[in-house]
Amino acid sequence: DSGVTQTPKHLITATGQRVTLRCSPRSGDLSVYWYQQSLDQGLQFLIQYYNGEERAKGNILERFSAQQFPDLHSELNLSSLELGDSALYFCASSPTWGRNTEAFFGQGTRLTVV
Amino acid sequence: GDSVTQMEGPVTLSEEAFLTINCTYTATGYPSLFWYVQYPGEGLQLLLKATKADDKGSNKGFEATYRKETTSFHLEKGSVQVSDSAVYFCALSSRNQFYFGTGTSLTVIP
Repeated sequence: DSGVTQTPKHLITATGQRVTLRCSPRSGDLSVYWYQQSLDQGLQFLIQYYNGEERAKGNILERFSAQQFPDLHSELNLSSLELGDSALYFCASSPTWGRNTEAFFGQGTRLTVV
Repeated sequence: GDSVTQMEGPVTLSEEAFLTINCTYTATGYPSLFWYVQYPGEGLQLLLKATKADDKGSNKGFEATYRKETTSFHLEKGSVQVSDSAVYFCALSSRNQFYFGTGTSLTVIP
């Protein structure tokens, strides 16, 4: 158990809908990362927050947004969902950020868009 | 930009065979390097890491050495087991991002 909690574990929704994925980082970790893992794209970095502030942005679509709250949990919002958004979404956390930091991953949320 | 290139899979080995999964990287500055493992239905778990040149990371019989001259961090294990079947990801950490390779699927058959 990495200490990173993601909910829900599975989500099935229809095209055009909006969903929210939740992540609770390890106790004491200030950084949260979101990744999308699909069969054809591998593990894609979406966005990183550190202590409530956005630190880095990757290949995140405009239909997607995220935030980190004062209690350090994070939410990833996916809207106007398309079939191609079906994937595993991982959250990871780390104590800080920078080159010596290792990330701890949650179990992921499997999103299926039908 | 920074990136990681990882050996394509899938890889199938017999139990007790020697494993090598190649990983090379491109980075400005001095990144830290990692191997993560993903077992079926689970998230990624840190397997080992190295933070500077010539460091050797090791865990559970797996080893990888940070080679700055060849910009490589190849994963090795002398004798694989069926329980090692998983997807292995090479990654680097620099500035405030992690960069992952595409993953190499390993299947070990009895």
